[in-house]
Amino acid sequence: AQTVTQSQPEMSVQEAETVTLSCTYDTSESDYYLFWYKQPPSRQMILVIRQEAYKQQNATENRFSVNFQKAAKSFSLKISDSQLGDAAMYFCAYRSALGGSEKLVFGKGTKLTVNP
Amino acid sequence: DTGVSQDPRHKITKRGQNVTFRCDPISEHNRLYWYRQTLGQGPEFLTYFQNEAQLEKSRLLSDRFSAERPKGSFSTLEIQRTEQGDSAMYLCASSSEDRAFVNEQFFGPGTRLTVL
Repeated sequence: AQTVTQSQPEMSVQEAETVTLSCTYDTSESDYYLFWYKQPPSRQMILVIRQEAYKQQNATENRFSVNFQKAAKSFSLKISDSQLGDAAMYFCAYRSALGGSEKLVFGKGTKLTVNP
Repeated sequence: DTGVSQDPRHKITKRGQNVTFRCDPISEHNRLYWYRQTLGQGPEFLTYFQNEAQLEKSRLLSDRFSAERPKGSFSTLEIQRTEQGDSAMYLCASSSEDRAFVNEQFFGPGTRLTVL
């Protein structure tokens, strides 16, 4: 079974600075998808960024980028120019690319605090 | 359509009672998912529907849990003979099979269940 590990329960960053959230995963599959989701306090979860395992190029979405290291099974999220609205729980998630399994496997999350 | 909706948002019940939650997906989405999130944890997959067919179930979904999606539209999740361990946030998500790339799961706000 696949597992996702987020080793940082909490992180903090100063507004306008850069922060990196860590994620490692364990799988025997070669084709899969990785995601970072954001869950603001009392609000619903939204997708921040996705990465297809077959793509070597790291995904970027505006101030958010990932460092995908397939051999190391590592998938970190970098947030540049942090804003107060970035404060939230961040979850790393894995999904198999094999047909028939649609479930997301989540890590335990990292609580990000942004200090003004 | 403004997104995935769930009802009720909060439910308090006594141990042993039955509860039912409803999820309305984004209208054009044919895939629907249920997850459970306990305090301090990431969401855990419960079950997945494609149209009205329940295609995947987690071992977490004990025989006290049942989910339906009649006519492939809204879905209900029923928990019979609730236990205190069922206290959690129950999240619903939906996705479209027709997207050109990895089908993003859009999450609802969740139903928070408290079993006394």
